[in-house]
Amino acid sequence: EAGVAQSPRYKIIEKRQSVAFWCNPISGHATLYWYQQILGQGPKLLIQFQNNGVVDDSQLPKDRFSAERLKGVDSTLKIQPAKLEDSAVYLCASSSRARYEVGRVSGGANVLTFGAGSRLTVL
Amino acid sequence: KNQVEQSPQSLIILEGKNCTLQCNYTVSPFSNLRWYKQDTGRGPVSLTIMTFSENTKSNGRYTATLDADTKQSSLHITASQLSDSASYICVVSVVASGGSYIPTFGRGTSLIVHP
Repeated sequence: EAGVAQSPRYKIIEKRQSVAFWCNPISGHATLYWYQQILGQGPKLLIQFQNNGVVDDSQLPKDRFSAERLKGVDSTLKIQPAKLEDSAVYLCASSSRARYEVGRVSGGANVLTFGAGSRLTVL
Repeated sequence: KNQVEQSPQSLIILEGKNCTLQCNYTVSPFSNLRWYKQDTGRGPVSLTIMTFSENTKSNGRYTATLDADTKQSSLHITASQLSDSASYICVVSVVASGGSYIPTFGRGTSLIVHP
């Protein structure tokens, strides 16, 4: 099974420039996540898609960040204009839908498979 | 507010020694808890998953425990190896309407194993 693909792996830009990251999730995974991980911290959710609809984008700085998942497969995350504090690794992850068994929700479907990340440096 | 707190923030141990990492959460309603290992420069990789009815689960030298009453989990690493040096992240999930999982991440524990 192919993993989650992300590109580019590294990007260096100056502040106020724009940048875009691309993610191709595991085939058949309905849920796609974008996380921002600043050095030394855990991942912070930016946006979560279920197919091509947004489940949660409450922590996405919408004045400068945007994301889309056309056709419910690939996704792009854009930053425009970038600020110094946007320097971070941007992780994409995907997971399959929850599996419902009689009387309980199976946790087995909730493995998030992460890509290697895109490291952004804003100068 | 749903939160996941991990301790210690960082840990240094000698190769061959055991260690235990802690995770406390207030996420509700609880669906499952996963421990991820993140090597430097890579994305996190799932080590183990715990659901509400499970108390202990092992994966090789890793053993995770869950106390759903006190909302605590631990990850015990036995006979540590240099390759265990990584960040260990606790993730607690709820199930949203529509069947998608909403995970809440801890900040992680940075483990360094010295020879």
